[in-house]
Amino acid sequence: DTAVSQTPKYLVTQMGNDKSIKCEQNLGHDTMYWYKQDSKKFLKIMFSYNNKELIINETVPNRFSPKSPDKAHLNLHINSLELGDSAVYFCASSHPDLAHGYTFGSGTRLTVV
Amino acid sequence: DAKTTQPTSMDCAEGRAANLPCNHSTISGNEYVYWYRQIHSQGPQYIIHGLKNNETNEMASLIITEDRKSSTLILPHATLRDTAVYYCIVSRKSSNDYKLSFGAGTTVTVRA
Repeated sequence: DTAVSQTPKYLVTQMGNDKSIKCEQNLGHDTMYWYKQDSKKFLKIMFSYNNKELIINETVPNRFSPKSPDKAHLNLHINSLELGDSAVYFCASSHPDLAHGYTFGSGTRLTVV
Repeated sequence: DAKTTQPTSMDCAEGRAANLPCNHSTISGNEYVYWYRQIHSQGPQYIIHGLKNNETNEMASLIITEDRKSSTLILPHATLRDTAVYYCIVSRKSSNDYKLSFGAGTTVTVRA
């Protein structure tokens, strides 16, 4: 099925660890995004990439590093995980003309203990 | 991007139309109105968007006032599966630096 897929769906890890979340889209979209949804349920954009190029980098700690090996993939690597990083992370993609808005993945629930 | 104001929550009866209001009094001429929804534990789902004309698709209708300062999302026949948080977002439809900014949304509960 055409979709935005994220792995893993759940991630539980200890403070100080380094972890990665992978995202892939087979919609042919040029732009991909990472959003964070915290416990208060607000969705905040973190990064966006267009054709492997970083376009938007919100005020996110340097411990978060996105990597886009090609325009169909946008991975999120997090170093030295902290308790406050616990959240649901959503990947999304969009076509340049935004005819159908963003397509979001199903999310990765990260729990730092 | 212009900010939006939505009611915090609303209930509606199954089978009836659900009308979700959104105020965006500071909207600019090149900004679109987008609606998304997020069903519990899922990623947000695009519903519809418009600039100034009313729009309809298989999910919903979007009514935008003539001055564009407010809009209403209409779910014609609400079902229990429409229970979700609905987000009204106003944003430019530009190219690379486009970004959607989500507010608190309206929590819609459809009751049997």
